[in-house]
This record gives sequence, structure tokens and C-alpha cells, in this order.
Amino acid sequence: DIVMTQSPDSLAVSLGERATINCKSSQSVFYSSNNKHYLAWYQQKPGQPPKLLIYWASTRESGVPDRFSGSGSGTDFTLTISSLQAEDVAVYYCQQYYSIPYTFGQGAKLEIK
Amino acid sequence: QVQLQESGPGLVKPSQTLSLTCTVSGGSISSGGYYWNWIRQHPGKGLEWIGYIYYSGTTYFNPSLKSRITMSVDTSKNQFSLKLSSVTAADTAVYSCARDRRITGRGLDSWGRGILVTVSS
Repeated sequence: DIVMTQSPDSLAVSLGERATINCKSSQSVFYSSNNKHYLAWYQQKPGQPPKLLIYWASTRESGVPDRFSGSGSGTDFTLTISSLQAEDVAVYYCQQYYSIPYTFGQGAKLEIK
Repeated sequence: QVQLQESGPGLVKPSQTLSLTCTVSGGSISSGGYYWNWIRQHPGKGLEWIGYIYYSGTTYFNPSLKSRITMSVDTSKNQFSLKLSSVTAADTAVYSCARDRRITGRGLDSWGRGILVTVSS
């Protein structure tokens, strides 16, 4: 199985400031046939299901605010929120869907400082 | 906009079989193009992928659960189902169904709200 490790486990950021969450995969999730990394980011608010934010490591899902961005390659990936809003308080998960079984990171809890 | 809704018993006794159904609305399972997933979340914990099924009946399961899982699809009802046998307290979790754009490689884009299943006598 591909192990996904996120850091930090939790972070507190001031409103309007940048938030950065990292995700490392234990092996490559690069699909050479289409030159895409099969890495997604999800946001989960309390009592709600996860919401897809980013796929292919850096492509924003339709309707997701542009303050959310994904980057990275190889085995190291980053989710950045450029200017934190109050509604961004949530747990964020990375996921690899390159190989079965799909695996998720342990989650990163984002709070307001 | 596609919507998914889980249904089934919220309480299952140890050693019995957990049975859940996901009803899809706003889109047809049999139109193809998507895989239909089950994912669970233990209380206060992270996400664990259980498996997926295609409308044709093709399935892939998490090896850690494979021996206990059965999945099926009913295209006439636009539903897919999960059965997990020989449950224990460790199977207590919120079970969610999700649509997977696997064919285009674009992630799990629609999720049900999830259903809490407690395993207890």
C-alpha cells in the first residue's frame, strides 16, 4: 500500500494569512500515460462529508475558490490556502488514487489563530 | 447535480453482516464513466477506502477487508450496495458512498453524507 503522511497534524493560522499543508507519499503517484499525479486534496468540515478541492495534484475542482492551490511532484505535495477565511476551518486530507487500495493521509486540522 | 444517499441499519450485532445501500440521483449509474466507492471513517479518525464497483459489476476491494466484502449494483434502481460480514466493534464507523471519476483520473467528486454504523450487542 502507498502510505500518505501529512504534516503538520494541526495548524493555527490568522485570518488573511497563508496556510500550508504538506503530504508525502511513500512511492510515486505519477501516471506516465497522461503525465498526471494521481493526488487529490479534500476538505472536511464537522458533520459533513469530504469535499474535493484539488485533483491531479494541482487542478482546482470546479467551484473551489482560487485561494486554494495545490502543488508538488514526485512524492511531495502541498496544499496552500493563500488568504485564510473563517469558513476554511476544517480537516484537510490528501489521497492517492494511483493504485489500489486508495489511501488517505491522516488529516490536518486547520484552525484560526 | 448527482446526489448520493446511504441507507441501512445503524446498529449491527457482532459477528453479523453489515448491509448498506447507496442510492444515486441526478445521474445514471449505468451511463458508465464512473466507479462507485465505499469509504469509512472510524469515530474521530481518518478515512479508509473499502472498495469500488463499476456498473458492469467489476469490483476492487481493499485487501485488508477483501475476505469480508461483497459489493453489488442494481442499475434498475440506480443503487449499489455493500455487505461486510463477521463484523466486530472495530467496524464501527461512518460509512460513506462516493462517485469516482477514475476513468479520467479526477478524484472522488461527489459524496453521500454518510451513515453511522455501530457494532454492538
